[in-house]
Amino acid sequence: DAKTTQPNSMESNEEEPVHLPCNHSTISGTDYIHWYRQLPSQGPEYVIHGLTSNVNNRMASLAIAEDRKSSTLILHRATLRDAAVYYCILRAPNYGGSQGNLIFGKGTKLSVKP
Amino acid sequence: ETGVTQTPRHLVMGMTNKKSLKCEQHLGHNAMYWYKQSAKKPLELMFVYNFKEQTENNSVPSRFSPECPNSSHLFLHLHTLQPEDSALYLCASSQDRAARPGGEQFFGPGTRLTVL
Repeated sequence: DAKTTQPNSMESNEEEPVHLPCNHSTISGTDYIHWYRQLPSQGPEYVIHGLTSNVNNRMASLAIAEDRKSSTLILHRATLRDAAVYYCILRAPNYGGSQGNLIFGKGTKLSVKP
Repeated sequence: ETGVTQTPRHLVMGMTNKKSLKCEQHLGHNAMYWYKQSAKKPLELMFVYNFKEQTENNSVPSRFSPECPNSSHLFLHLHTLQPEDSALYLCASSQDRAARPGGEQFFGPGTRLTVL
């Protein structure tokens, strides 16, 4: 499985933008980039995913480098509720086998200060 | 209820006990998963079910026995566990197994298991 590299931790101030980086230099041409987050005492939750183009949804934006070797999850205005561990995960476009599984790393622990 | 629910939320058991964890999803999904999250370790995928059939077992010891009677329910039967099996056990479901839209997984809150 292609691997990702994320900083162990980051800090942000409330109501400021947060840019969470992820390096995936060995990404294959068909791997999707997925982001999940895990709030304290909860299971992970899906945030966003993309393939080549930048993506926006109600939770966040995903900026993907042109060479796809890195990506950045952008929280436009961090709130205290955004304090969580954020996981960047590569998923092969498998339609039934193990290559489509979510392989979680250690993620980035985001702290948000009031 | 909506989403993915898990019961119990907390469980303490002795090494000789037999217990079961239950997961239920109200999302109409076809795939269900068991994960284990130990302290200081990343989430580990344990089992995958697709349309009630087990499609993956990631070398999980036989003291963990999954059961999927239908697409909405998933159980994890536990027997003769060890203290190192203490962890957060998470259930998830997805519409299908794809990486494209529809394949995102929805997780339950987990069962915090302590084995004495």
